[in-house]
Amino acid sequence: GDSVTQMEGPVTLSEEAFLTINCTYTATGYPSLFWYVQYPGEGLQLLLKATKADDKGSNKGFEATYRKETTSFHLEKGSVQVSDSAVYFCALSAPPAAGNKLTFGGGTRVLVKP
Amino acid sequence: GAGVSQSPSNKVTEKGKDVELRCDPISGHTALYWYRQSLGQGLEFLIYFQGNSAPDKSGLPSDRFSAERTGGSVSTLTIQRTQQEDSAVYLCASSLAPLRGSSYEQYFGPGTRLTVT
Repeated sequence: GDSVTQMEGPVTLSEEAFLTINCTYTATGYPSLFWYVQYPGEGLQLLLKATKADDKGSNKGFEATYRKETTSFHLEKGSVQVSDSAVYFCALSAPPAAGNKLTFGGGTRVLVKP
Repeated sequence: GAGVSQSPSNKVTEKGKDVELRCDPISGHTALYWYRQSLGQGLEFLIYFQGNSAPDKSGLPSDRFSAERTGGSVSTLTIQRTQQEDSAVYLCASSLAPLRGSSYEQYFGPGTRLTVT
């Protein structure tokens, strides 16, 4: 079945540091890929997505590129802020015919210190 | 506009009791999903509704779990004879109907934290 593997946390960084969270996937079809973020005390919200190979999703200074050849979708941000402290989840969705259900990675907790 | 709402926000129940969790999706969203977030298992899919039917129930962990959706809107997840391993945050999400060539964003509710004592 489909699966997503992402680096375990916690990741602790200083403000303005560079952040990378690795994510790789296995899928039987051609999935869409997502990064979701869960801020402390809040619900899951979509950060960015990419629906086909070589697409780059971006939002709030975060970027991730859909790499079909390496089955990866690594999340990057050039200069993190304290407000980026959260848990980040990489996910893939099944094809529309299968209802687009999401398969999540285990989540990576990021803590940014001033 | 209103987002996905879930009730109750917290539920503490005794082992062996039945519980019902409710989800109100975004108006106009025909697809509805239940997920579970627990320490041991991470975020896992439970069931998917398109309208009132559930074409994918593959994630329900046992026959103690069931869900229904009425009027293409509100959904209820029922757990019978709760066990301690059912303790988790139950998340509901909704989206526009999945269409060929489109992958619509799923909008998540705040979740129901279930604690089985």
